[in-house]
Amino acid sequence: DTAVSQTPKYLVTQMGNDKSIKCEQNLGHDTMYWYKQDSKKFLKIMFSYNNKELIINETVPNRFSPKSPDKAHLNLHINSLELGDSAVYFCASSRRDEDGYTFGSGTRLTVV
Amino acid sequence: AQSVTQLDSQVPVFEEAPVELRCNYSSSVSVYLFWYVQYPNQGLQLLLKYLSGSTLVKGINGFEAEFNKSQTSFHLRKPSVHISDTAEYFCAVSPTARQLTFGSGTQLTVLP
Repeated sequence: DTAVSQTPKYLVTQMGNDKSIKCEQNLGHDTMYWYKQDSKKFLKIMFSYNNKELIINETVPNRFSPKSPDKAHLNLHINSLELGDSAVYFCASSRRDEDGYTFGSGTRLTVV
Repeated sequence: AQSVTQLDSQVPVFEEAPVELRCNYSSSVSVYLFWYVQYPNQGLQLLLKYLSGSTLVKGINGFEAEFNKSQTSFHLRKPSVHISDTAEYFCAVSPTARQLTFGSGTQLTVLP
């Protein structure tokens, strides 16, 4: 039973394409997140949703659009992909601040 | 706003030796403190957390960390490391709002 699952695990695509990454959690958590990990392993929050409502929207290009159809899912759609979008994208979920996050295994996006 | 500084980007250590990974933070409000581990090509896994109370917290895999409020530090320690502890370690802080801020990570490499 995977708690936070992301698909696909690897994604190689050309510049200018549009792609989506899906995330699902079966933990009953209220809050879900997207983080970007760059080539130097630095983790930066992109978005956070609580019960399907956007609560954190860091400074990311508007080519990135999160969508939460229900509180168990948070998908990330990226338009007009650029070389600089290459990174590992992690989905995570949490129930309470003090619990910390449960992370998915990541999606390695490579834009060529 | 809060920030996290991990003072060492890489820590090589021989098997069965002790190790300390350093973490300092700054925040204008009370925070929760976490350590996560990331094994190669995997997501982040919670090692341990400090919420309140005893300043020495024990986590999984024999790791422990000590919260020092006066020095705003939360250093991670293990008395005897194994080859399998080789991984990237992240310190993180979370205020009462649901947003984890991560340090830049420390690569622990255990040598035979």
